[in-house]
Amino acid sequence: KNEVEQSPQNLTAQEGEFITINCSYSVGISALHWLQQHPGGGIVSLFMLSSGKKKHGRLIATINIQEKHSSLHITASHPRDSAVYICAVWDNYGQNFVFGPGTRLSVLP
Amino acid sequence: EAGVAQSPRYKIIEKRQSVAFWCNPISGHATLYWYQQILGQGPKLLIQFQNNGVVDDSQLPKDRFSAERLKGVDSTLKIQPAKLEDSAVYLCASSARFSGGNNEQFFGPGTRLTVL
Repeated sequence: KNEVEQSPQNLTAQEGEFITINCSYSVGISALHWLQQHPGGGIVSLFMLSSGKKKHGRLIATINIQEKHSSLHITASHPRDSAVYICAVWDNYGQNFVFGPGTRLSVLP
Repeated sequence: EAGVAQSPRYKIIEKRQSVAFWCNPISGHATLYWYQQILGQGPKLLIQFQNNGVVDDSQLPKDRFSAERLKGVDSTLKIQPAKLEDSAVYLCASSARFSGGNNEQFFGPGTRLTVL
């Protein structure tokens, strides 16, 4: 079983739809990061969470430490949101980052 | 502020050849990471430096991979000899300081390696 899992693996949405990407993890963590990777490889950090909820523009990230689960929501999705979204956690025991496999999102106009 | 620079952006080599990648982190960033990202997977940490010292290289295949950060600034990652399964994107990232999971990482554009 992978330490960090994401669902769905692939997601296609129509412009304007509300999107949810889920991340679950099995290790003890001190922080969870959501990253965005565009075609061509560049990765951008979206959020860093240790509890609760954060919002930035149309993006919202939540985390439930007890359930070891986090969600990334995109409101009013746009084709420019098309990218791979990666969940990464800081493993307290291993003292390193563990990355999920990513969710590939395509938003159609 | 300039971002993390990597070169080359693309490299194609034959198996058993050698290859080197270069990374220049954001100025002043003490921590530097090298990741391997195989197509369809998330990044996997290869090695982490704090200044010019190695913090974690437990997942670096040391029989063929090596990395250095001699002056605590830029870094090189070398593969010698390359295998087909080394085909991947090699990402470099840096952060201002090492504080466990609470440090934001800034990623370079990556080097896409194809081994034929």
